[in-house]
Amino acid sequence: EAGVAQSPRYKIIEKRQSVAFWCNPISGHATLYWYQQILGQGPKLLIQFQNNGVVDDSQLPKDRFSAERLKGVDSTLKIQPAKLEDSAVYLCASSLGPELTDTQYFGPGTRLTVL
Amino acid sequence: GIQVEQSPPDLILQEGANSTLRCNFSDSVNNLQWFHQNPWGQLINLFYIPSGTKQNGRLSATTVATERYSLLYISSSQTTDSGVYFCAVVGEMDSSYKLIFGSGTRLLVRP
Repeated sequence: EAGVAQSPRYKIIEKRQSVAFWCNPISGHATLYWYQQILGQGPKLLIQFQNNGVVDDSQLPKDRFSAERLKGVDSTLKIQPAKLEDSAVYLCASSLGPELTDTQYFGPGTRLTVL
Repeated sequence: GIQVEQSPPDLILQEGANSTLRCNFSDSVNNLQWFHQNPWGQLINLFYIPSGTKQNGRLSATTVATERYSLLYISSSQTTDSGVYFCAVVGEMDSSYKLIFGSGTRLLVRP
């Protein structure tokens, strides 16, 4: 069974530029999560999708971050414009069911550096 | 919101040694999970352990929910155990429930 796929693996941009990340969850997984992990910290949830609907985006900085999961499968996370403090690893995870106690399977992450 | 604290923040072991990692949480929870993030960044769920004790090979975990802590035991450590260990609980933050991670324990196992 293929795991969660993410691309790109690394991205370096200058502040005020835009960037987009892509995630393909495990086949059949209805729930998809995006996390931000700043160096030295644990992951922080940005947004949770159930199929193509948003369940929780309370910690998503909506003035600059956006995410979509149009067909209930792949998802993209966009930052526009980027700030220095957005430098982090962006992790995508998926789970079969909607419960927060369902096992979440994580992708390898995208490491973003904002200069 | 709920606070999740882990100790120690860093740990260095010689291969073959045993260790205990601790996770304290500030509010009552009915769930707790332990994760391992390897040196290449891959995060894997180790245990879902809302209460009691579970064992998986050289790893075991105990959660005492009434006293708001959980322990992860690593026995006969191997270099492949290196990485960061996170505990996480489902708690309320920003008016919704979500999985909240501690800041982790960074483990280095030397050969």
